[in-house]
Amino acid sequence: DGGITQSPKYLFRKEGQNVTLSCEQNLNHDAMYWYRQDPGQGLRLIYYSQIVNDFQKGDIAEGYSVSREKKESFPLTVTSAQKNPTAFYLCASRERLAGQETQYFGPGTRLLVL
Amino acid sequence: EDQVTQSPEALRLQEGESSSLNCSYTVSGLRGLFWYRQDPGKGPEFLFTLYSAGEEKEKERLKATLTKKESFLHITAPKPEDSATYLCAVQTSYDKVIFGPGTSLSVIP
Repeated sequence: DGGITQSPKYLFRKEGQNVTLSCEQNLNHDAMYWYRQDPGQGLRLIYYSQIVNDFQKGDIAEGYSVSREKKESFPLTVTSAQKNPTAFYLCASRERLAGQETQYFGPGTRLLVL
Repeated sequence: EDQVTQSPEALRLQEGESSSLNCSYTVSGLRGLFWYRQDPGKGPEFLFTLYSAGEEKEKERLKATLTKKESFLHITAPKPEDSATYLCAVQTSYDKVIFGPGTSLSVIP
């Protein structure tokens, strides 16, 4: 089955701790994205990567870091500098087919602060 | 400033009661408009992409339409399993994707 997987489903962070959210895709998509979703707000872009070993900051990158060492994987680290990390985090990859582009999403990781 | 808004914020329908959700946008050039369905605690599920004014797409009880300023998601004779949050997103001419806040739909049996 092709798709996007995210783990863990729930993650708890202690004060001052860095945590890493996993995102893997086997769709052979070049571009991958990380979004943050808060109640009543649209999805906000944290980071995106168009190709391996390259990534760009989105609208709310402060307090987050990413890497893209493999095409299939795009992990997100929430650092201690992110003061309000409680949110639902969504990873997506983008399909380009016949000039049309579509983002497909993983199941999400809910991050909670202890 | 590029912006995507959705209305209403929440909608309650009786089973079989047709209605429409609205997505309005002000962006510097539209490359595509996307509709997604999101169930609680899950990732958004892709429904449709629309590219030009006048375009329509259908899937089961859902039909999406696009004008120069807005898109509608029409739900015909909804069932309780159509209850979800419906997200609209716009891809701008400079390749940025902007999401609206969503409409929470509840269909009551």
